[in-house]
Amino acid sequence: DTAVSQTPKYLVTQMGNDKSIKCEQNLGHDTMYWYKQDSKKFLKIMFSYNNKELIINETVPNRFSPKSPDKAHLNLHINSLELGDSAVYFCASSHLRDSPRGTQYFGPGTRLTVL
Amino acid sequence: GEDVEQSLFLSVREGDSSVINCTYTDSSSTYLYWYKQEPGAGLQLLTYIFSNMDMKQDQRLTVLLNKKDKHLSLRIADTQTGDSAIYFCAENSGNTPLVFGKGTRLSVIA
Repeated sequence: DTAVSQTPKYLVTQMGNDKSIKCEQNLGHDTMYWYKQDSKKFLKIMFSYNNKELIINETVPNRFSPKSPDKAHLNLHINSLELGDSAVYFCASSHLRDSPRGTQYFGPGTRLTVL
Repeated sequence: GEDVEQSLFLSVREGDSSVINCTYTDSSSTYLYWYKQEPGAGLQLLTYIFSNMDMKQDQRLTVLLNKKDKHLSLRIADTQTGDSAIYFCAENSGNTPLVFGKGTRLSVIA
């Protein structure tokens, strides 16, 4: 049983294209996150949604737009892809009632390569 | 802003103990965490410690917290080859997002 799943696992595309990454969690969690992990493995939060509402939006170019159609899904759409967007993108989820709040469950990651 | 620092690499022999260290700057940190990332996989929560605790033990894992020095460590006893991974220290307080260190790559030599 997959708890947090992401598709696709690998994504190779040209500069300037628009692409989406999908995330689904079957844990009944109410909060979902997108993280970016660069080539040096540095992990940084991009967005967080609670009950389909945006609660965290770090300094991320507005080419990145998260969309949460329901509590179980948080998709990431990226417009006009740039070379610097190449990274591994991780989706994660948690529940506000869980303690501590940093207990998050991560998906397997989507490796995005922009050529 | 908050900062979490870790050494980038650690190499140990199988059967030895590993100690991974972390320092953080946010004095209001409520919880501190250790996450493990195996190759090609997402992060997995290993353990956490509340800021009013000094130590937490869970089987082969021992977490030590020195709140005065803002220093956290993870000790893995009897390190196995399956422990080879990247270990991330992270902290948060209340509803704030997790702040991760850059990760320590642990290599276990057979």
